[in-house]
Amino acid sequence: QSALTQPASVSGSPGQLITISCTGTSSDVGGHNYVSWYRQHPGKAPKLLIYDVSNRPSGVSNRFSGSKSGNTASLTISGLQAEDEADYYCTSYSSSVTLMVFGGGTKLTVL
Amino acid sequence: QVQLVESGGGVVQSGNSLRLSCAASGFTFKTYAIHWVRQAPGKGLEWVAIISFDGSHKYYADSVKGRFTISRDNSMSTVYLQMNSLTADDTAVFYCARGRGEFCAGGGCYSLSDWGQGTLVTVSS
Repeated sequence: QSALTQPASVSGSPGQLITISCTGTSSDVGGHNYVSWYRQHPGKAPKLLIYDVSNRPSGVSNRFSGSKSGNTASLTISGLQAEDEADYYCTSYSSSVTLMVFGGGTKLTVL
Repeated sequence: QVQLVESGGGVVQSGNSLRLSCAASGFTFKTYAIHWVRQAPGKGLEWVAIISFDGSHKYYADSVKGRFTISRDNSMSTVYLQMNSLTADDTAVFYCARGRGEFCAGGGCYSLSDWGQGTLVTVSS
């Protein structure tokens, strides 16, 4: 069982907006602003999409945005495209036993 | 451009050891923390370990603490992961990844900006 909880799957049609949640505790997501989001296509390495809750690295599309409320962080993808079909992971710094924790991942299907 | 290349993976018997390497290029290696992250077949990502830019700080996931050791050689721009007492549960693709910010300033350690292609470790029983 992963430390952070994500929905196993979400889906949407091209052009739509979808949101993926990532729920933790006050020791990780709720207590620190070090939540990151990654996209991973099959057989490929993950790619950083969002860092520090809501910041986008250079080169990442502004269709991706991040936010946080309490112990839950969210990744929003607008204008859904076929290339967005992938697995998405959240991660957070943790002040509990282990330094960093990942979510279990969410499979996004573009219908 | 930033490049991270893992090597050292392979098939190893349960109880044995293996050392992975992560060779870096394209950036000032000695100013960045490096992580190891693994992914079991068909499963999600699991954080394994981090080493600070100068090697003075190391942290591990509970699942590998006491069995795995992370180290680095800044003169060779390489990070290592020594894995001992391997079990079938350690079977995974192991990725090395760079912490986003230099010297971990502003929490820059805690997001992983660049990743290698991964190396597969298979532990046979």
